[in-house]
Amino acid sequence: DAGVIQSPRHEVTEMGQEVTLRCKPISGHDYLFWYRQTMMRGLELLIYFNNNVPIDDSGMPEDRFSAKMPNASFSTLKIQPSEPRDSAVYFCASSASGTGGWLTGELFFGEGSRLTVL
Amino acid sequence: ELKVEQNPLFLSMQEGKNYTIYCNYSTTSDRLYWYRQDPGKSLESLFVLLSNGAVKQEGRLMASLDTKARLSTLHITAAVHDLSATYFCAVGGFGNEKLTFGTGTRLTIIP
Repeated sequence: DAGVIQSPRHEVTEMGQEVTLRCKPISGHDYLFWYRQTMMRGLELLIYFNNNVPIDDSGMPEDRFSAKMPNASFSTLKIQPSEPRDSAVYFCASSASGTGGWLTGELFFGEGSRLTVL
Repeated sequence: ELKVEQNPLFLSMQEGKNYTIYCNYSTTSDRLYWYRQDPGKSLESLFVLLSNGAVKQEGRLMASLDTKARLSTLHITAAVHDLSATYFCAVGGFGNEKLTFGTGTRLTIIP
């Protein structure tokens, strides 16, 4: 089975440009998470979806960040306009709920998208 | 707000030695995970601990969970160089699906 697939793997852009990161979760998984990793702040949860519906976006840093999940096999994280402080590795992860509907299994992470904003 | 603390942050140890990484968390939780990350790579799941007293072992790694003490440990036995990586614990909020990650422990095994 293919794992979580993210694209692009690397993105270098200039301040003010729009950035779109993409994620394809593992087939059959009903939870999708977006995390950001930096040296200073570690791993931060930005937003997560359940059955394509955003459940908690309290970790989204600013209105410049938005995330969508139009269907069960695709999600995007958009930054517009981008700033140098957005430079980080962005991870997408997916998981499947247990029989009770709660999340009991591990998250499976993609390879990450390394974003550099100049 | 759930807070997760790991210690130590950095650990340098010789091959063949034993050591333990600690993960403390601040509020009630029903799930705890351990992940491994190699430099520049993704996170790989190691263990999922779902109940008080849970113990899981894989090779030279053993993880345990004490929900009353809000503490999990990752014990390394007879370390080998291949175990060099950063190890994260992650704690699930009680009744919700958010995972809060610890700061990570960067482990370096010296031959």
